[in-house]
Amino acid sequence: GQNIDQPTEMTATEGAIVQINCTYQTSGFNGLFWYQQHAGEAPTFLSYNVLDGLEEKGRFSSFLSRSKGYSYLLLKELQMKDSASYLCAVRDMGGGADGLTFGKGTHLIIQP
Amino acid sequence: DGGITQSPKYLFRKEGQNVTLSCEQNLNHDAMYWYRQDPGQGLRLIYYSQIVNDFQKGDIAEGYSVSREKKESFPLTVTSAQKNPTAFYLCASSPEGAGETQYFGPGTRLLVL
Repeated sequence: GQNIDQPTEMTATEGAIVQINCTYQTSGFNGLFWYQQHAGEAPTFLSYNVLDGLEEKGRFSSFLSRSKGYSYLLLKELQMKDSASYLCAVRDMGGGADGLTFGKGTHLIIQP
Repeated sequence: DGGITQSPKYLFRKEGQNVTLSCEQNLNHDAMYWYRQDPGQGLRLIYYSQIVNDFQKGDIAEGYSVSREKKESFPLTVTSAQKNPTAFYLCASSPEGAGETQYFGPGTRLLVL
């Protein structure tokens, strides 16, 4: 089984930087995903990590430490449109098409 | 345009009624998935299919059924056996292979009258 923890809600200021943490416990690990989800809409893919280290993609970066069961999503130069839920999801060693296990999501509020 | 479509956007179900949610993709993806999302909860996997005419139960398959007669289509039926069907239902697809990203459709919100 898998257990994924992330903060329920975070608040940050426009133009600032915010880090959203995700910890996981899994019997096997085969990759970690971050998705963004605006209210009432579908999740959209942000990043994928399977090896330790930092993956940078524009204003968003994602970090993974497999030995610690830990990941974070870093958002820079925050914009009001970044207000959304951010979902951490883990794929286990069962296979690529077995579906993902999602955390409950972190609701990020951006203030002017 | 390539993508995943779900219909309808909103669906109302009466007590004891079966309803079917549509999911279609033209991305030529092999794998398709159905998730359920409840307020304050993470997405939970209902069913998934890696190939035509084959599908597997996810974590919460009870009260649901699926079919995969075509690569492009993966409809989900919410049966009367599902006692708490009100939720946001999301369909996703991905190319076959470990590490492949799942892409989501716009979702269907099911409400029980």
